[in-house]
Amino acid sequence: EIVMTQSPATLSVSPGERASLSCRASQSVSSNLAWYQHKPGQAPRLLIYGASTRATGIPARFSGSGSGTEFTLTISSLQSEDFAVYYCQQNDNWPRTFGQGTKVEIK
Amino acid sequence: EVQLVESGGGLVQPGRSLRLSCTASGFTFGDYAISWVRQAPGKGLEWVGFIRSKAYGGTTEYAASVKGRFTISRDDSKSIAYLQMNSLKIEDTAVYYCTRDQWVYGFDIWGQGTMVTVSS
Repeated sequence: EIVMTQSPATLSVSPGERASLSCRASQSVSSNLAWYQHKPGQAPRLLIYGASTRATGIPARFSGSGSGTEFTLTISSLQSEDFAVYYCQQNDNWPRTFGQGTKVEIK
Repeated sequence: EVQLVESGGGLVQPGRSLRLSCTASGFTFGDYAISWVRQAPGKGLEWVGFIRSKAYGGTTEYAASVKGRFTISRDDSKSIAYLQMNSLKIEDTAVYYCTRDQWVYGFDIWGQGTMVTVSS
């Protein structure tokens, strides 16, 4: 099983600032990496697939990069609606696995 | 509107069974794979299992934690996917989501989830 490790566990950021979230895979997943945003009481939302392609309707302030085992989700200028938990997920191998999540909170 | 709606959650005793349904609308259900994902209280997301479309054999994959106890099936004529959960354990307590699984393109549609509580 591929283990996905996200860091940091919690990120405290002021509105308007930049946030960088890291995701590491225990073995290469090529570019088969997705990012999701999850707010309490809501369904998760797909942000990025293929490591760097924004899903339909996702604002340009969200960007993804990386390949192999190291990935980054960057939010260029945090808006109030961006405070949430973010998960990476590999879809290169079975079983699909998620990282443990990074909580982005207001500083 | 493209959407998935889960139903069938509730309170169940350990060792008993429960079947969840995932009803799709707004798209051609039979053309897509479906994954189930769960979130235990205070925990992160955990992938549970997957069913391919009939065009790819309709076969399934499961997480080790549920293999042999959970079964995913689909009825394309009704646009419904099912998660049959047998021999339930306390640790199966979670919100269960169904998702439209676009393989390497991610889980692009999610239902709102249904809560399953396993307790005596």
